[in-house]
Formats: sequence, structure tokens, C-alpha cells
Amino acid sequence: DADVTQTPRNRITKTGKRIMLECSQTKGHDRMYWYRQDPGLGLRLIYYSFDVKDINKGEISDGYSVSRQAQAKFSLSLESAIPNQTALYFCATSDPGTGGLETQYFGPGTRLLVL
Amino acid sequence: AQKITQTQPGMFVQEKEAVTLDCTYDTSDQSYGLFWYKQPSSGEMIFLIYQGSYDEQNATEGRYSLNFQKARKSANLVISASQLGDSAMYFCAMRERTAGGTSYGKLTFGQGTILTVHP
Repeated sequence: DADVTQTPRNRITKTGKRIMLECSQTKGHDRMYWYRQDPGLGLRLIYYSFDVKDINKGEISDGYSVSRQAQAKFSLSLESAIPNQTALYFCATSDPGTGGLETQYFGPGTRLLVL
Repeated sequence: AQKITQTQPGMFVQEKEAVTLDCTYDTSDQSYGLFWYKQPSSGEMIFLIYQGSYDEQNATEGRYSLNFQKARKSANLVISASQLGDSAMYFCAMRERTAGGTSYGKLTFGQGTILTVHP
């Protein structure tokens, strides 16, 4: 089984709808992240969480909110979806206990299309 | 200013040949980490290799090696003996510490290079 899972894998929604993307991990990592990927722009950080009680905005948090329900679960919500939120969304985890490396492990991604 | 710059939107290489993917970075921190990820057409992000700023040796992982030139702020990925399965998008990323010295673990990504391996 995958260590980092995302649901749904694909989603089509309409402008103005509220949607939630979910991320679960079995790696036991405290740190979790949400990124979006747009063509030609690489990945950009939306929100990150260092533990259940710690949530921080990334560089493009407007229009998004998150919830860290447990160490293993981190959800991303679009309160009122708009077409320019069409993108590939990634969840990632990392373990600060690994010192300088602290590799981020990514989920498989969620392809979101907002019509 | 761009933190991570990948100047090659696309690269082509013949199977079994070596290829270098360029990455330059910008930071004022003394302690940082550089990562390379591979993204195949299926979309997942696969960690390839890591280089710490204080590491004296260039990192190697199988056919992947990182040509780290600290003074030039470059961290190029070298793939030896290219295989058809290496065709993918490759991202360079950097993790910096904050001014307070706490490692936040956030990654800043470059725009990526699409590598195509020809048979």
C-alpha cells in the first residue's frame, strides 16, 4: 500500500462549489504539506502543518483552507472553487527527525478541473 | 528573484548516453538542502537524490549523481546510461532554514526540465 494517499485522484467541479481534497499517510510523519502544480510553474506551496496544532500559510493560500484532523490526515478545501484553481494538487509529508535530509514524500496527486 | 532556476525546458538524450540537467539556486543561508525529483507522465513525484550544503562529497544514487558547485550555486543532476524509462519531467528543489535557524522543511521548486530519451 502507498505511504501517502490522496482522494479523490480526479475531480471535476463547477465554479462556486465547495470541495475537499483529502490526504492520509502511514509514514508516521509530523509534517504535512499541500502543493499545487501548474504547467510551467513547478510546484507551489499552499499550506503546511508541522503537527496537529500547527498550520501555516504557504505562498499561495488565498482561496484555500486546510484542516489537520490527526497526525495522519491533512485536508485541503476550496470554499468556492474558481477555474484558475484547476491544477494538479499534491500532498507531501516529511520527518524532521532525519536531520538535514528531511526528504518530502509525495502522494500520487489529485487532478482538479473547475468548470 | 527566482530561488531555483532550471534553464532547460526540454532535453533530449540517446539511450545509454549520459545527460546533465542544470539547476542554479539563490540563497543567503549557509545551511540548505538541494533535491531532485522525477515526475513521470503518470504524475507522481519520485525523490531521486539529495545534497546538503555542508556535504563535501557530491551525492550519488545509482545512476544519478549531483554535480554540486557551491561557489557557483549550481546543483546539476547527471544521469548516466540513460534508459527509456528516464523520460520524465525533472524538478530541482531547495530547502532553506528560516532566519531564526529552525528548519521548516519547505521546498521551493524550479520550473522543471522535460527529458526525452530516444532509443
